[in-house]
Amino acid sequence: KNEVEQSPQNLTAQEGEFITINCSYSVGISALHWLQQHPGGGIVSLFMLSSGKKKHGRLIATINIQEKHSSLHITASHPRDSAVYICAVRWRGGADGLTFGKGTHLIIQP
Amino acid sequence: GAVVSQHPSRVICKSGTSVKIECRSLDFQATTMFWYRQFPKQSLMLMATSNEGSKATYEQGVEKDKFLINHASLTLSTLTVTSAHPEDSSFYICSARPLSSSNEKLFFGSGTQLSVL
Repeated sequence: KNEVEQSPQNLTAQEGEFITINCSYSVGISALHWLQQHPGGGIVSLFMLSSGKKKHGRLIATINIQEKHSSLHITASHPRDSAVYICAVRWRGGADGLTFGKGTHLIIQP
Repeated sequence: GAVVSQHPSRVICKSGTSVKIECRSLDFQATTMFWYRQFPKQSLMLMATSNEGSKATYEQGVEKDKFLINHASLTLSTLTVTSAHPEDSSFYICSARPLSSSNEKLFFGSGTQLSVL
């Protein structure tokens, strides 16, 4: 069964810390998404990656296709970054929909 | 940015009733919309892929006669949970892919929390 694994499941850090969330997947993909889910349930798409690295503000996402691994980094973390971060992939040659990781629950304390 | 509106945000219903959830793309056209379900403390699971003007494609284990999906226009898809039961209580969320996009960002609705009594 194709799977998406995220780590850590839970992460509590102090404001200002550099945060890394990891995502590994089992077989080839055509795209990988990083999503942010807020307590009310709403989801925001942060990045879509198929190779390399993307940066938006304090967020950086990288992907290593050979190692089947992606990371999401948050620099200078802030309490407003507290949310669940979800990695989701579209399998290469697969159907259109996404397979999701279980998410990383991030809490940034002031 | 692109906005997807999902209604209602919360619904409580009696067992046996049907519930309709709407997903609208407000400022773009979407040939494809996706419906997901999330049980507490579990990951999102794709239920079905909806293409405008054609029948939805359901994931394995999702009953198409129970979860009716209609994608009648490029801006609206609906999910109807028919004869809802307590085990259908879950968080349902849609996403839409703009007509002009291939694999780029998806835009998500705000979700619907369904509670079946």
